[in-house]
Amino acid sequence: GAVVSQHPSWVICKSGTSVKIECRSLDFQATTMFWYRQFPKQSLMLMATSNEGSKATYEQGVEKDKFLINHASLTLSTLTVTSAHPEDSSFYICSAKLANQETQYFGPGTRLLVL
Amino acid sequence: LAKTTQPISMDSYEGQEVNITCSHNNIATNDYITWYQQFPSQGPRFIIQGYKTKVTNEVASLFIPADRKSSTLSLPRVSLSDTAVYYCLAGTRGYQKVTFGTGTKLQVIP
Repeated sequence: GAVVSQHPSWVICKSGTSVKIECRSLDFQATTMFWYRQFPKQSLMLMATSNEGSKATYEQGVEKDKFLINHASLTLSTLTVTSAHPEDSSFYICSAKLANQETQYFGPGTRLLVL
Repeated sequence: LAKTTQPISMDSYEGQEVNITCSHNNIATNDYITWYQQFPSQGPRFIIQGYKTKVTNEVASLFIPADRKSSTLSLPRVSLSDTAVYYCLAGTRGYQKVTFGTGTKLQVIP
């Protein structure tokens, strides 16, 4: 149980285009989902916290207009990187958790390369 | 959120027991300690979670002393496939977010 999927697993796009990444909890309903970014040889950096049916809470330094998050249902959250640039190239990971539980279940990640 | 400190890297021979210690001096009363494992280009995988004393599951043990200012993840008889980065996190059950530290890169040597 507690499986989280992400789609796509990797994506290559041209600079200036937008990319949407989906995060799904497959066998449980997630009241909260998180989006992280990880650069090579670095730790995970939290970008935003997403609660179903409400606006996401972004961490300091993360542009909410550039990284659009939608959490429309208890099993799906999407991250859209708008007008992507090469510096947005990274490994994006989502996680999901149940209410009143500490454990986060992570997706497999999405590798984004912006040319 | 409690800040955690771990060794940057560790080496171990295959078949040995590995203990990775994490410091969390400002841990709060309600904070739980959770350990994750991450392989390259994959999302972190939950290993174990505990509040105090000792917790054991099929893959690891977690030792937490009475003052809870540190914790030790114990991996019995490691194999090459245990080569990964291990993260220690401290957070409150139900709390919205946690902060990942630098993690410990474990290299298992044949």
